[in-house]
Amino acid sequence: GESVGLHLPTLSVQEGDNSIINCAYSNSASDYFIWYKQESGKGPQFIIDIRSNMDKRQGQRVTVLLNKTVKHLSLQIAATQPGDSAVYFCAERVNQGAQKLVFGQGTRLTINP
Amino acid sequence: DTGVSQNPRHKITKRGQNVTFRCDPISEHNRLYWYRQTLGQGPEFLTYFQNEAQLEKSRLLSDRFSAERPKGSFSTLEIQRTEQGDSAMYLCASSHSGGLLEFGPGTRLTVL
Repeated sequence: GESVGLHLPTLSVQEGDNSIINCAYSNSASDYFIWYKQESGKGPQFIIDIRSNMDKRQGQRVTVLLNKTVKHLSLQIAATQPGDSAVYFCAERVNQGAQKLVFGQGTRLTINP
Repeated sequence: DTGVSQNPRHKITKRGQNVTFRCDPISEHNRLYWYRQTLGQGPEFLTYFQNEAQLEKSRLLSDRFSAERPKGSFSTLEIQRTEQGDSAMYLCASSHSGGLLEFGPGTRLTVL
């Protein structure tokens, strides 16, 4: 169950459907963005990244879109599978030298069979 | 090398006790990061090392927290006089300079 004060956005989709997870970032100077997947009891796992000079990047079943005008990122997952169920975080790199990342709140994705 | 490892995976302690966590990064990575993650939130940056030098510390890292990386390989994070608000997942990550951060499984701390 969820704890008091926990406001994790949730998204439920049917297995095989496509899903879109959205994220707003804060720093217009950020030059690099990453989507991470985190399963229960595990550390964040890299999914896909995009540099600020691009607006779209595709991977295997995943696509990241970047809209710098409104400081918005999205992660599209095609043909979702049960193993896609996890919490997804976007992260922005705010300090290129230090590789310091600022993470968004996260979205819990549940894939229904 | 199988990735970043952290020990212990879980730690339960009483308020006021000291705890120490260990992180073993990917062997060829010269950078090591500590993040803290509370329930339902994204990880928050605490500090990072390049080799043995601690180059940046967040304001989140109070004077009860200290991190070391004495030989530029493994790192320890110590919390003195733990408080209930210290309960969180402590994540370690490593990377090459300018490279992708790879995270370990984390140490979950519960302060009673």
